[in-house]
Amino acid sequence: SQQGEEDPQALSIQEGENATMNCSYKTSINNLQWYRQNSGRGLVHLILIRSNEREKHSGRLRVTLDTSKKSSSLLITASRAADTASYFCATGFLAGNKLTFGGGTRVLVKP
Amino acid sequence: NAGVTQTPKFQVLKTGQSMTLQCAQDMNHEYMSWYRQDPGMGLRLIHYSVGAGITDQGEVPNGYNVSRSTTEDFPLRLLSAAPSQTSVYFCASGWADSNQPQHFGDGTRLSIL
Repeated sequence: SQQGEEDPQALSIQEGENATMNCSYKTSINNLQWYRQNSGRGLVHLILIRSNEREKHSGRLRVTLDTSKKSSSLLITASRAADTASYFCATGFLAGNKLTFGGGTRVLVKP
Repeated sequence: NAGVTQTPKFQVLKTGQSMTLQCAQDMNHEYMSWYRQDPGMGLRLIHYSVGAGITDQGEVPNGYNVSRSTTEDFPLRLLSAAPSQTSVYFCASGWADSNQPQHFGDGTRLSIL
């Protein structure tokens, strides 16, 4: 079973617009991570937010975490065509480094 | 820096054949894992290892074996391939600290006929 559920499943925006995607999960976590996957490639780590953090920034990325609602959001500001990819949230637990992934959000940024 | 290297990139097998998917990392990471990704879905954990000589099962281990004789290598074996094992397989490595990211290979695309 998948721990995370992502919403929306697909997103199409114009270059320059912001993209927001959400992730909900079911059980207590140690951290939540976001990864990007370009077509035909492996996953690339974007950002990790710990369970005691509420917001984190990295360049044009902003991640929030609400542990009371068991949800997270990823915001990509001023999107570029190169941001076209699938984005996955993954939850990490105290025991080891196992990750449980959501189903992903496919983002298309049109030039 | 090579990072995580997976071979082969593509493979077609017949039902019942066996094969080994190779994974090597050059970052001296303790933790290594194998995931499968089916169309339109996220990754599901098959097996993982927290160090040489130590392996454990993930969410979907049936039909797969692993071993970890060195820190660098973590091969995944399909003993008798089945069409349900058609998937893209990803290997990942990272530090044992759960608050560290994982590094992924580019995947092996496997088709079982």
